[in-house]
Amino acid sequence: SQTIHQWPATLVQPVGSPLSLECTVEGTSNPNLYWYRQAAGRGLQLLFYSVGIGQISSEVPQNLSASRPQDRQFILSSKKLLLSDSGFYLCAWSDGVGKAFFGQGTRLTVV
Amino acid sequence: GESVGLHLPTLSVQEGDNSIINCAYSNSASDYFIWYKQESGKGPQFIIDIRSNMDKRQGQRVTVLLNKTVKHLSLQIAATQPGDSAVYFCAENWDTDKLIFGTGTRLQVFP
Repeated sequence: SQTIHQWPATLVQPVGSPLSLECTVEGTSNPNLYWYRQAAGRGLQLLFYSVGIGQISSEVPQNLSASRPQDRQFILSSKKLLLSDSGFYLCAWSDGVGKAFFGQGTRLTVV
Repeated sequence: GESVGLHLPTLSVQEGDNSIINCAYSNSASDYFIWYKQESGKGPQFIIDIRSNMDKRQGQRVTVLLNKTVKHLSLQIAATQPGDSAVYFCAENWDTDKLIFGTGTRLQVFP
């Protein structure tokens, strides 16, 4: 069966520090991969999605970037974090027909 | 831009009653809809989906209704239980690469 792993679960980082969140998927090949952000008590905002290695689509302009160095690995990065980058970050995968499956999320607090 | 929205941000129901969570969508090209359940601090979990060629689909204790005429989606939960307390999101898809989420509705179940 397919599984998705996302880490770390929680992260506290100072303003101006770099960020790297990693997400990996097992049990499937060539998945679509997604990064979402969720502010407290709010909905999910699509940040990036990828349909293949090295293919990244950005949905909103921001201080973040994404990379897909391997088929089942998706990385969310920042060179310098802002206070406004705080939130709950969720990685998800789909088989391309719509239904997405989520990881457990990373709670990022920028201080 | 086009978005998926919800009528009620919070819904309180008594244990044993039926719950109805509503969602309005604005993109007439959307052809696939999903309901997710998100418990506190966790990633969203898939509940049920429906394609635009259907107007009703049933699962275990849940039913999704789709009214394309008024662009409305609803999730009905029968015999609501305390474990159903969570935030529920509807999501729409009109491009196989992206899944767009609504704001969410918090369901509170009281004894």
